[in-house]
Amino acid sequence: AQSVTQLDSQVPVFEEAPVELRCNYSSSVSVYLFWYVQYPNQGLQLLLKYLSGSTLVKGINGFEAEFNKSQTSFHLRKPSVHISDTAEYFCAVSEGSGGSNYKLTFGKGTLLTVNP
Amino acid sequence: NAGVTQTPKFQVLKTGQSMTLQCAQDMNHEYMSWYRQDPGMGLRLIHYSVGAGITDQGEVPNGYNVSRSTTEDFPLRLLSAAPSQTSVYFCASGTTYEQYFGPGTRLTVT
Repeated sequence: AQSVTQLDSQVPVFEEAPVELRCNYSSSVSVYLFWYVQYPNQGLQLLLKYLSGSTLVKGINGFEAEFNKSQTSFHLRKPSVHISDTAEYFCAVSEGSGGSNYKLTFGKGTLLTVNP
Repeated sequence: NAGVTQTPKFQVLKTGQSMTLQCAQDMNHEYMSWYRQDPGMGLRLIHYSVGAGITDQGEVPNGYNVSRSTTEDFPLRLLSAAPSQTSVYFCASGTTYEQYFGPGTRLTVT
């Protein structure tokens, strides 16, 4: 079974500042990793994903994440945030092979608030 | 393509009532699932299906039933609603590599 820990429940930042949202996972098998964003009163939208290959993954809206297998981490970064990035961000993991790779296990979420 | 649609958007039930949350997708995905989202808990998997006629339990299946008679539809049934089922429910469909979420149904059980 996998688990996901998002280390910060809330992250306030000022506009144009850099941000890092932290995510650690545990799993006994290889994994696929995902970051989703949820804007207020909306569903979840995929930001980026790591399946294999390059450990630096670029996503939509200028976000990127780096897979670190030795530290079992998948931190999300953006060099300069905008007010419109205010949202809740969820890290998720699924098994990378075998029959359970459809099932997502989510972290509890990090609320990013971008202040002017 | 409409993607993943869910109805209703909002629902209030009394304890003991039953209802069905509807989910449909037009992307011909074999995999569909239901999650519930509670404050500070993230999303938790209720039930999932890997194709028509095949369903299985997720992390929190108690109090919920599902069936999958077609590729497009995956309804979630609450047999006897309880206040603990007050939550936002999301349906998703997709593949191993990407899943698409519906807009959600906000359910309140009084």
